[in-house]
Amino acid sequence: QKEVEQDPGPLSVPEGAIVSLNCTYSNSAFQYFMWYRQYSRKGPELLMYTYSSGNKEDGRFTAQVDKSSKYISLFIRDSQPSDSATYLCAMSSAGGTSYGKLTFGQGTILTVHP
Amino acid sequence: NAGVMQNPRHLVRRRGQEARLRCSPMKGHSHVYWYRQLPEEGLKFMVYLQKENIIDESGMPKERFSAEFPKEGPSILRIQQVVRGDSAAYFCASSPGEGPMNTEAFFGQGTRLTVV
Repeated sequence: QKEVEQDPGPLSVPEGAIVSLNCTYSNSAFQYFMWYRQYSRKGPELLMYTYSSGNKEDGRFTAQVDKSSKYISLFIRDSQPSDSATYLCAMSSAGGTSYGKLTFGQGTILTVHP
Repeated sequence: NAGVMQNPRHLVRRRGQEARLRCSPMKGHSHVYWYRQLPEEGLKFMVYLQKENIIDESGMPKERFSAEFPKEGPSILRIQQVVRGDSAAYFCASSPGEGPMNTEAFFGQGTRLTVV
């Protein structure tokens, strides 16, 4: 079983839709949770960063973390064609050298069509 | 504001040759991570380095792969005697400091290695 599971999609939505992306994980030591966006043949770009459980909002993006269920989500409101990309969840545990050692999900391919 | 710089962007090697991938971290960052992205898979951690030190190499294959981050110059990921299975995108990330700050890693554009 993978430490982080993410539905690879692909996910196709119309412009303006609300998009929900999710990851589940098995390692209870994970404390830091991130979402990255990766355009085709580019490097991952950090979108959202959260610590422990709770919600965080940044513009059209909302990240949610439920540590009791080992479940994280990213919501995109009013989706735009420019949001079309692969979205990667990533996690790390605390302590020592663990902070920067990220464990990624497989990535979900999102297409927003006009 | 230059980000993480990786070169070359594309690298083609024949089986048995050596591949050298370079990474210059963001200005002010002293922590470097290498990840590999195989086709249809997510990014996998390979190695974590600080200047002149390998901190965690638990994701590195035991043979043919090595990494360094010298006092001067970029970090180097070296793959000796490449095989077709080494074909992948290799990403470098850097972060600014100790502790939780290290979780905010910024990635380069990657080097796409093709072994023919």
